[in-house]
Amino acid sequence: GAVVSQHPSRVICKSGTSVKIECRSLDFQATTMFWYRQFPKQSLMLMATSNEGSKATYEQGVEKDKFLINHASLTLSTLTVTSAHPEDSSFYICSAFTFTDTQYFGPGTRLTVL
Amino acid sequence: TQLLEQSPQFLSIQEGENLTVYCNSSSVFSSLQWYRQEPGEGPVLLVTVVTGGEVKKLKRLTFQFGDARKDSSLHITAAQPGDTGLYLCAGVGQGAQKLVFGQGTRLTINP
Repeated sequence: GAVVSQHPSRVICKSGTSVKIECRSLDFQATTMFWYRQFPKQSLMLMATSNEGSKATYEQGVEKDKFLINHASLTLSTLTVTSAHPEDSSFYICSAFTFTDTQYFGPGTRLTVL
Repeated sequence: TQLLEQSPQFLSIQEGENLTVYCNSSSVFSSLQWYRQEPGEGPVLLVTVVTGGEVKKLKRLTFQFGDARKDSSLHITAAQPGDTGLYLCAGVGQGAQKLVFGQGTRLTINP
């Protein structure tokens, strides 16, 4: 149980375009999901907390207008990187929080902006 | 701000040796989780420790939560090449849901 999926696994886009990444909890409902960013050889950096039915909470330094988060249902959260630039290239990972106080992570999405 | 100091950040040892990874903080956590991450994949949960002084074993891996719930350790016995990976500790603050991550330990086990 507690499987989290992400789609797409890899995406390459041109500078200036927007990219949407989906995060789904497959066998449980998650009122709270989290979005992380990970640079090569570094630990995970929390970007925002996604709450079902309400606005996301962003960490300090994360631009909410650039990284749009929508948590429209108990099993789906989306992260849209708007007007992507090469410096946005990174590994984006979502996680879902379960009632057991445990977070389960998705497999990640590798974003490359040309 | 809660911080988790994880050490060592890099460790390369020979197959068969033992090793310990530490996570320390001045803050109290309601629980602490250990993850393992392979390149290009998301972290996979190894264990969650909740009670101060708790010890959990997963085959050759032993996890311990400090009595004061401020620190934790991961001990691997007779390391094997398949143990190679990035190990992450992460704590849940009291009354919070956000995870605070350590810097990670990149472990390499040489045959």
